[in-house]
Amino acid sequence: EDKVVQSPLSLVVHEGDTVTLNCSYEVTNFRSLLWYKQEKKAPTFLFMLTSSGIEKKSGRLSSILDKKELSSILNITATQTGDSAIYLCAAGPGNSGYALNFGKGTSLLVTP
Amino acid sequence: NAGVTQTPKFQVLKTGQSMTLQCAQDMNHNSMYWYRQDPGMGLRLIYYSASEGTTDKGEVPNGYNVSRLNKREFSLRLESAAPSQTSVYFCASSALTDTQYFGPGTRLTVL
Repeated sequence: EDKVVQSPLSLVVHEGDTVTLNCSYEVTNFRSLLWYKQEKKAPTFLFMLTSSGIEKKSGRLSSILDKKELSSILNITATQTGDSAIYLCAAGPGNSGYALNFGKGTSLLVTP
Repeated sequence: NAGVTQTPKFQVLKTGQSMTLQCAQDMNHNSMYWYRQDPGMGLRLIYYSASEGTTDKGEVPNGYNVSRLNKREFSLRLESAAPSQTSVYFCASSALTDTQYFGPGTRLTVL
């Protein structure tokens, strides 16, 4: 059975801290791992990592895919209160060949 | 370019009532998806449509039906709503890559 596990489930940090969110996956026919940010509404796309692109960076956010360990991390440096959100990890395509399997998310709260 | 749109935004139903959630995308994507999101459960796939004319069950399809009306539109129907279907419903679409783009969601309460 395909599964994606995220840790920790929740995290509280102070502004300026650096955080690392973890995601492990066991997915049939793995092709890609994606990170989304959700702020009380629809998830918005952050990164997609594949065998040909195992490291991505955008501003203070970066992500790495470890194909050997079947895992990924999302790093956020110099956190700001606007980073407070649920961060979702998804891997696919799994048995369907199309759909993504989502983890339960990590709830991040950045306090001033 | 509106992306993925969903209607309605909010809905309250009584047990046993039926309703259809509408989803449309203007990105010319082939694949479309319906998810539900419950507290502590993440996003769970209800149904998906890999391309126009095809639909398949996801992880939690019981109590739901779908219609891929055309390339743009993918609707989700609850024939006889139950309190266990109280949730936030998201529609998403994707092109040839795995990146899915989500609509704003429908918050459904079944009393």
